[in-house]
Amino acid sequence: EPEVTQTPSHQVTQMGQEVILRCVPISNHLYFYWYRQILGQKVEFLVSFYNNEISEKSEIFDDQFSVERPDGSNFTLKIRSTKLEDSAMYFCASSTGSNTEAFFGQGTRLTVV
Amino acid sequence: GQQVMQIPQYQHVQEGEDFTTYCNSSTTLSNIQWYKQRPGGHPVFLIQLVKSGEVKKQKRLTFQFGEAKKNSSLHITATQTTDVGTYFCAGRVNYGGATNKLIFGTGTLLAVQP
Repeated sequence: EPEVTQTPSHQVTQMGQEVILRCVPISNHLYFYWYRQILGQKVEFLVSFYNNEISEKSEIFDDQFSVERPDGSNFTLKIRSTKLEDSAMYFCASSTGSNTEAFFGQGTRLTVV
Repeated sequence: GQQVMQIPQYQHVQEGEDFTTYCNSSTTLSNIQWYKQRPGGHPVFLIQLVKSGEVKKQKRLTFQFGEAKKNSSLHITATQTTDVGTYFCAGRVNYGGATNKLIFGTGTLLAVQP
């Protein structure tokens, strides 16, 4: 069964450092998303991406965040200067349409120290 | 901003008992999805409801979408230990144009005692 894959599974970084979280969405999907989940809390929307551009973003997704689809398969989330409060599980997801089910990856646990 | 609340936050049941989680949105939703997240896992899609008053069943799970499309419920009959996890509703809102972001509810953590 096709799945969304994310790397790394766990990233530890120092405050102020840049991190890039990587995702390979399901190959025939057109919509890509990043969500985050602070430990024990709900899943929060960050950004959606379609047709090589951001289609929606939340207030969490400020200038420190950026997304890219550098080639035909990868979808990345960059955090320019990490803060302690960026520590969370980051989930990538993809879907075939704007209104269809989202398939989530296993997540990257980001720990900022 | 738009909020999606779920109650209860936590439910502990004996295996074989029924379980229900309720989801309420502050705004009308175009559709609602339900996800299950096992401890340490990622959200896994269960179902999507689109129509007002819609009811869908998956084996022991029954999903309802309210008439006003602002609330939803998930009912599990005769829980099993494999039902353990956090159940999230996630809604989409139409702001007069296309939106594809899911607003997740606060989640209900289900614990099942054998």
